[in-house]
Amino acid sequence: AQRVTQPEKLLSVFKGAPVELKCNYSYSGSPELFWYVQYSRQRLQLLLRHISRESIKGFTADLNKGETSFHLKKPFAQEEDSAMYYCALSGRAGGTSYGKLTFGQGTILTVHP
Amino acid sequence: SAVISQKPSRDICQRGTSLTIQCQVDSQVTMMFWYRQQPGQSLTLIATANQGSEATYESGFVIDKFPISRPNLTFSTLTVSNMSPEDSSIYLCSVHFNTWGEQYFGPGTRLTVT
Repeated sequence: AQRVTQPEKLLSVFKGAPVELKCNYSYSGSPELFWYVQYSRQRLQLLLRHISRESIKGFTADLNKGETSFHLKKPFAQEEDSAMYYCALSGRAGGTSYGKLTFGQGTILTVHP
Repeated sequence: SAVISQKPSRDICQRGTSLTIQCQVDSQVTMMFWYRQQPGQSLTLIATANQGSEATYESGFVIDKFPISRPNLTFSTLTVSNMSPEDSSIYLCSVHFNTWGEQYFGPGTRLTVT
């Protein structure tokens, strides 16, 4: 079975402060980890995927297989970062992704001015 | 990426009735998924809909309650049958069309059952 845990339902920071959204996973196979974001009145959209190791909107996330974590970080939060963030996991077999996602419970990030 | 639309965007239905939700994609995709997001909850996968085969349902979801059609590579429908208030949720379709697991989501259908 696969599981994704986001321990913080709510997270509040002030503008310019660092922010870290935690995500831990449980999966026996080869995981693919993603961060999705949902801004107010917008659809769910992909923010980051671990395989690309990129920085999007100043956010980064590193897959730590030893700690089974995929925490999302940003050194200086902005008000426009306020949104719901979901960590999600998929699996792979050989060179093919299973596709289907298991989501964490989500973290509502509020960045205060 | 892909442009995904859903119809209806929202509906209010009476218990015991059924509602069919449509999902349209602007490009051909092999794998489509249907998720449910109950109030205050995260997304839960209902089923995987691949063209040319029967949908594969996750534990806790059955075909009689959530029949799915996938007539071609750009379209799918999800029916919520014999609805009860517990079916009040947002229903989302998503597509996955590359070798990685990332998915793109439709805007969702907000269903309220009274």
